[in-house]
Amino acid sequence: QSALTQPASVSGSPGQSITISCTGGSSDIGSYNLVSWYQQHPGKAPKLMIYEVTKRPSGVSNRFSGSKSGNTASLTISGLQAEDEADYYCCSYVITNTVLFGGGTKLTVL
Amino acid sequence: EVQLLESGGGLVQPGGFLRLSCAASGFTFSSYAMSWVRQAPGKGLEWVSSVSNSGAGTYYADSVKGRFTISRDTSKKTVYLQMSSLRVEDTAIYFCVKDVVRYSGSWGFDPWGQGALVTVSS
Repeated sequence: QSALTQPASVSGSPGQSITISCTGGSSDIGSYNLVSWYQQHPGKAPKLMIYEVTKRPSGVSNRFSGSKSGNTASLTISGLQAEDEADYYCCSYVITNTVLFGGGTKLTVL
Repeated sequence: EVQLLESGGGLVQPGGFLRLSCAASGFTFSSYAMSWVRQAPGKGLEWVSSVSNSGAGTYYADSVKGRFTISRDTSKKTVYLQMSSLRVEDTAIYFCVKDVVRYSGSWGFDPWGQGALVTVSS
């Protein structure tokens, strides 16, 4: 099964807001509120930022928020900071009892 | 503090066998589903396999089905990934992850271990 579709890169200036999209289909994002988002800095393990579409784990800044419309989920980062520069991956449960990740989006803070 | 510590990685020839272990601590192991996610060098994340909190349910990516087996030992608080018929394309860092929600699970993974490098090469 193909990966979820994310833009390869996005960029923004400090203090701005950016949104990363993640497009799937009716068998995954469109049918389940089981979308999660991960942040990965170079050489580090990924970190959970959002789960179940909109929930933030304790310790994650409220500058990070998630949403979903139809077959597309989105991660919004407000008040961009230099430390937000990283790779971001979306992830969704699939009807076949499997899991799909997106291809990843490189966020550059200008 | 929740900790996941992978071990068992290394260099193996194509067609070979390897078993990864993930020792868990800092949480009620029997209450959480556990999974393995891998990342090939310079590539993105790929889900590999999951096991339910009870161990009764196991799930696999098509790319590893029939070759990999996930299991868990509650008494040892350890998850295993038995990998056979290894291919060059299985080369990756393998991360052990815990579900963020107890029991039914949310398929959100938190935290992640530091990873175990598996290299398949002749």
